Amino acid sequence: AQSVSQHNHHVILSEAASLELGCNYSYGGTVNLFWYVQYPGQHLQLLLKYFSGDPLVKGIKGFEAEFIKSKFSFNLRKPSVQWSDTAEYFCAVNADMIYNQGGKLIFGQGTELSVKP
Amino acid sequence: GAGVSQTPSNKVTEKGKYVELRCDPISGHTALYWYRQSLGQGPEFLIYFQGTGAADDSGLPNDRFFAVRPEGSVSTLKIQRTERGDSAVYLCASSSGLAGYGAGELFFGEGSRLTVL
Repeated sequence: AQSVSQHNHHVILSEAASLELGCNYSYGGTVNLFWYVQYPGQHLQLLLKYFSGDPLVKGIKGFEAEFIKSKFSFNLRKPSVQWSDTAEYFCAVNADMIYNQGGKLIFGQGTELSVKP
Repeated sequence: GAGVSQTPSNKVTEKGKYVELRCDPISGHTALYWYRQSLGQGPEFLIYFQGTGAADDSGLPNDRFFAVRPEGSVSTLKIQRTERGDSAVYLCASSSGLAGYGAGELFFGEGSRLTVL
């Protein structure tokens, strides 16, 4: 069965610090990969996505992620975090899209990021 | 509306009661998903519709849970004989349902928070 593992449950950083959140998935075939963010009191929003091509993808608000196929990883990075980045971050994988239109996303357990001003 | 709409936003019920949660997806989206999110966890897949039919219901925990989408738009998640363990935020999401590029990019609603006393 597909699964997604996020290494860190809670990360605390000071403003301007660099961020890297780990994400590994278990599926040997072609995948679509996503990072979603959930700000306090808000719904899940797409941060960035990888479908194919350049393994380094850029998303909103200065976030980027790198797909490393050999490591089954899709880590999220940001060079300099802001207080407003405080949120919960979820990595997700879709391994169904070849066989089913759309397919379902499997989410990791989430990483809570707290940025101190 | 422009986004995914879920009602009610909050539902408190007693153990053993029947509950219905409603989702109105983004207009034109053929794929609709139900997830369940418990505190401190990532969204857990329940069921996914492509049009009117359930394309994948492998996440439904037991036969107390049922979902319908009779006209391929609005969906209702139905929970019979609720238990305290059913307490969670129930998330609905929709997507274009297209295969390939864009597959799996989900747009989430605010969720329905269910509390079973």
